[in-house]
Amino acid sequence: EDQVTQSPEALRLQEGESSSLNCSYTVSGLRGLFWYRQDPGKGPEFLFTLYSAGEEKEKERLKATLTKKESFLHITAPKPEDSATYLCAVQASTGANNLFFGTGTRLTVIP
Amino acid sequence: NAGVTQTPKFQVLKTGQSMTLQCAQDMNHNSMYWYRQDPGMGLRLIYYSASEGTTDKGEVPNGYNVSRLNKREFSLRLESAAPSQTSVYFCASNLGSNQPQHFGDGTRLSIL
Repeated sequence: EDQVTQSPEALRLQEGESSSLNCSYTVSGLRGLFWYRQDPGKGPEFLFTLYSAGEEKEKERLKATLTKKESFLHITAPKPEDSATYLCAVQASTGANNLFFGTGTRLTVIP
Repeated sequence: NAGVTQTPKFQVLKTGQSMTLQCAQDMNHNSMYWYRQDPGMGLRLIYYSASEGTTDKGEVPNGYNVSRLNKREFSLRLESAAPSQTSVYFCASNLGSNQPQHFGDGTRLSIL
């Protein structure tokens, strides 16, 4: 059964304090792994897609990496505006075109 | 640049009432999706439409129906609302397989 587990559930960082969010997955053939950001009262906003182990993507203070079992979202020198819930989702290579989502990591960056 | 637009944003229903949630996208995407998001759970797929004219069940389809009206619009209908359907509903769309899904801002639905 396809499964996505994100840790930690919540993370509080001081502004400038770098850290990483983890996404562990079990899927019957990975077609893609997606990272989203979700602000309160809003829909998920797409950040990155990773397709194969060893791949990395960067955007401003965020960097996503992928292995065969997990993905990390590294946040370098975060700012208060990076506060949000970060969601990880996987798409299996078999079956429908839908995503399986984790429950997210709620990040708070304190000034 | 609207992207994915959902209406209404909020709704309160009584048990047994019916309602249709509307979704429209202006990105010329082929595939559209309906998810629900509940506290402590990941987004779960209700129904999806891989292309105009097709619809398929997702993980939690019971109590819902969908209509892919045209390439732009994909509606979700609750025929007889139940308290267990209280949730935030998100519509998403993408070009197709492997492509990122883009989400609307959701409909917050409460059923009393």
